[in-house]
Amino acid sequence: ETGVTQSPTHLIKTRGQQVTLRCSSQSGHNTVSWYQQALGQGPQFIFQYYREEENGRGNFPPRFSGLQFPNYSSELNVNALELDDSALYLCASSLREGVGEKLFFGSGTQLSVL
Amino acid sequence: GNSVTQMEGPVTLSEEAFLTINCTYTATGYPSLFWYVQYPGEGLQLLLKATKADDKGSNKGFEATYRKETTSFHLEKGSVQVSDSAVYFCALSDRGNFNKFYFGSGTKLNVKP
Repeated sequence: ETGVTQSPTHLIKTRGQQVTLRCSSQSGHNTVSWYQQALGQGPQFIFQYYREEENGRGNFPPRFSGLQFPNYSSELNVNALELDDSALYLCASSLREGVGEKLFFGSGTQLSVL
Repeated sequence: GNSVTQMEGPVTLSEEAFLTINCTYTATGYPSLFWYVQYPGEGLQLLLKATKADDKGSNKGFEATYRKETTSFHLEKGSVQVSDSAVYFCALSDRGNFNKFYFGSGTKLNVKP
C-alpha cells in the first residue's frame, strides 16, 4: 500500500509568482484535503476535494485553488504569492467512511516566498 | 464554532517519566477526536482516535479518553522514551462540516536520556 506522496519537497518563489503543488493519494482513498501549516502552528484547513469537486473550503482567498483528477491525485495552486504564504503545505487523503474518518498525511511541501 | 486548545510547550521530561498533554475542545456538534504526532521534517501521523463520549483511544503506550462533560481529550503515557520526542497535535473532526479537521497549535515534547 503506497502512502501519500507530495512534490516538490521544497520550493522557493518570489512575491507575485504562481505555484503548483502536487499530491498523490494513498491507494484506495477518494478524498483529498489540503492544509497550510505555518511555523510553530497547527495545520489550517484550505479545502477538500471529493469525486473531483471541491467539497468544502476554509478561510482562504480565491487565489488558492485546486483540482482533483480521476485517479484521485490532486493539485494546489496559489496565485499572486504573498510573503505570508510561506508555510508547510500538507496534503491528506482519506476514504469517505463516516464517523471517525482518518486523515493520512504526506510529508508536505515547504514553500518559501521571498 | 469549533476549536482545539492544547497546553503550550515545550514539555521536557526524563526517560521513563509520566506524560500528560492537556487538550480541550469546543464543538457545535458531535466531533471525533484525534491525536497526531509530527516528527522533524515529516508530515503528521495518526496516533490514536476516539469517536464518542467515554471512548478511549490507545496506541504505542499512549492513551486518551473522550470526556464530553469536561470537553477534554488529554494524552497520557506511563513511561516515555527518547524516541517519543516530537510535536503532538490534538484535533477534532466535524462530520457535519465535510469532515473538516481543526488542529491545536501543537505541543513539543523533548525526552532526555
